[in-house]
Amino acid sequence: DAEITQSPRHKITETGRQVTLACHQTWNHNNMFWYRQDLGHGLRLIHYSYGVQDTNKGEVSDGYSVSRSNTEDLPLTLESAASSQTSVYFCASSPGLAGRTDTQYFGPGTRLTVL
Amino acid sequence: AQSVAQPEDQVNVAEGNPLTVKCTYSVSGNPYLFWYVQYPNRGLQFLLKYITGDNLVKGSYGFEAEFNKSQTSFHLKKPSALVSDSALYFCAVRDGQAGTALIFGKGTTLSVSS
Repeated sequence: DAEITQSPRHKITETGRQVTLACHQTWNHNNMFWYRQDLGHGLRLIHYSYGVQDTNKGEVSDGYSVSRSNTEDLPLTLESAASSQTSVYFCASSPGLAGRTDTQYFGPGTRLTVL
Repeated sequence: AQSVAQPEDQVNVAEGNPLTVKCTYSVSGNPYLFWYVQYPNRGLQFLLKYITGDNLVKGSYGFEAEFNKSQTSFHLKKPSALVSDSALYFCAVRDGQAGTALIFGKGTTLSVSS
């Protein structure tokens, strides 16, 4: 079955280290998104992509980067991890064919702890 | 700017009773509205969405939501709650004039007691 996966599911790292979170979808969706979930804030958009070689900044993009070299993957990189980036990270994808009526489908999440 | 409010952090209901989880929104264009559910240690699961047409939208697991344009609300409802409905519920909105990004509310924890 088609799906969206994230790895690792749990990660502990130290302040200042570079960290990359993987997101892989097999639905052949054009659009992919990264969110972070924090208590009291709901989900906030970090970066998103509408297709290969396309990336856009979201609401809370500082300290994060993404690249889209193929349809299936959108890795999220924390250039220099900070304690404020301790969070649960969710990847999502949507077909991109229905425009603004598109439904996003979410991965299982990655819990990141920065010590 | 577009925004979503879920005024209740937690809703408690007894099994078998009807439940309502509230959501209000603010957008400048036509709203596209979504409800998602999150079970512990899981990702978000899509429940239903309102795009246009009938104000009462039916979704997964017996849930439905009523779109009210004059009150800018999109409340989630279920006629008879189950203990297994206990989870975190998110309302989200997309502004028809502002692209495809979703704006999420902060979430409402639903607790159904037996």
